[in-house]
Amino acid sequence: EAGVVQSPRYKIIEKKQPVAFWCNPISGHNTLYWYLQNLGQGPELLIRYENEEAVDDSQLPKDRFSAERLKGVDSTLKIQPAELGDSAVYLCASSLGVGTDEKLFFGSGTQLSVL
Amino acid sequence: KQEVTQIPAALSVPEGENLVLNCSFTDSAIYNLQWFRQDPGKGLTSLLLIQSSQREQTSGRLNASLDKSSGRSTLYIAASQPGDSATYLCAVKGGGGSQGNLIFGKGTKLSVKP
Repeated sequence: EAGVVQSPRYKIIEKKQPVAFWCNPISGHNTLYWYLQNLGQGPELLIRYENEEAVDDSQLPKDRFSAERLKGVDSTLKIQPAELGDSAVYLCASSLGVGTDEKLFFGSGTQLSVL
Repeated sequence: KQEVTQIPAALSVPEGENLVLNCSFTDSAIYNLQWFRQDPGKGLTSLLLIQSSQREQTSGRLNASLDKSSGRSTLYIAASQPGDSATYLCAVKGGGGSQGNLIFGKGTKLSVKP
């Protein structure tokens, strides 16, 4: 069974440019998460989806970040415009959802460098 | 606000040693607690999940315990191997039960020397 797939693996852009990350969760997983991880820190939640509904986006900087999960499967996270401080690893995770064992499965992440 | 602390930040041990990683959290009203492993440049792999009603979980050489009242969890690794070298992160889910989000610690970087 395929795990959580993320692309691209690495992205280098100049500040003020837009960037997008893509995530394909494990088949059948209703809950999808986007996390941000800075070097030496634990992941911090940006947004959580239950199917196609964003149920928690309180930590998403909405002035420059946006996300969507069309048809409740794949998801895209976008930053426009990117700032130097956005350099980090962006992780996508999925789980079966509320009422299950709720174990999270993570993708390998996208490492973003903003120059 | 829930805060998760992991001590030590880094640990180096010789192969074969048994070791304990510590995790503490400030709000004991948690839904569950998970231990993850992260290899350099990779995502996180879930190792063990302990529900709030449980005291411990075991998987192979790993044993995780949970003491909600004191806000502590430990991850015990028996007979450590060089392949165990990685960063181990603890995360708690709370503040809303099954609707809550995971709060992560900064991790303990483990190095097992051959």
